[in-house]
Amino acid sequence: GEDVEQSLFLSVREGDSSVINCTYTDSSSTYLYWYKQEPGAGLQLLTYIFSNMDMKQDQRLTVLLNKKDKHLSLRIADTQTGDSAIYFCAERALSGGYNKLIFGAGTRLAVHP
Amino acid sequence: KAGVTQTPRYLIKTRGQQVTLSCSPISGHRSVSWYQQTPGQGLQFLFEYFSETQRNKGNFPGRFSGRQFSNSRSEMNVSTLELGDSALYLCASSQGQGVPYEQYFGPGTRLTVT
Repeated sequence: GEDVEQSLFLSVREGDSSVINCTYTDSSSTYLYWYKQEPGAGLQLLTYIFSNMDMKQDQRLTVLLNKKDKHLSLRIADTQTGDSAIYFCAERALSGGYNKLIFGAGTRLAVHP
Repeated sequence: KAGVTQTPRYLIKTRGQQVTLSCSPISGHRSVSWYQQTPGQGLQFLFEYFSETQRNKGNFPGRFSGRQFSNSRSEMNVSTLELGDSALYLCASSQGQGVPYEQYFGPGTRLTVT
């Protein structure tokens, strides 16, 4: 089955690192994604990782993938107040031979001074 | 390159009415997907269109329908609105069905049903 789970809330101090975790169930998932949603806005694609990779780094963002445990994490270094948003993990799934994305419920990141 | 645009941004309708939402994808993108976002259910996939054909459909009643035009613009229609249809409706475009299947989202249309 297809299911993506995330913790709902994370609070960090400005300047610290944030780690947002996600677990998924579909072992055939080949791509996993992180999206960011700011208040009143749509989702912004932050990064994605292919399942044959275990790490991907892009500036302040580091994605770690543990395929054996079906666990994905997003680390944000030097977290800023502008990083306050909801972060969604998603997995690519196949339905009827076509791609679709399955999203988690989202993790609300609150950054305080 | 302009992003995904959705119109209108906000809409208030009455129970029983119908509504049509519009989405213009990024230039060159041929796939458009629609999602419903609510606080209780999160992001739920409605359907996807590619080259004017519905390729994928989520688990929504037949009151929810859509179409895509030859210029890749898409419309979503909800008939006989219910209070539970109040939500943020998001449209996403991608170049096609190929991997890595990056989807780019519009700002959404917030629909309130009273």
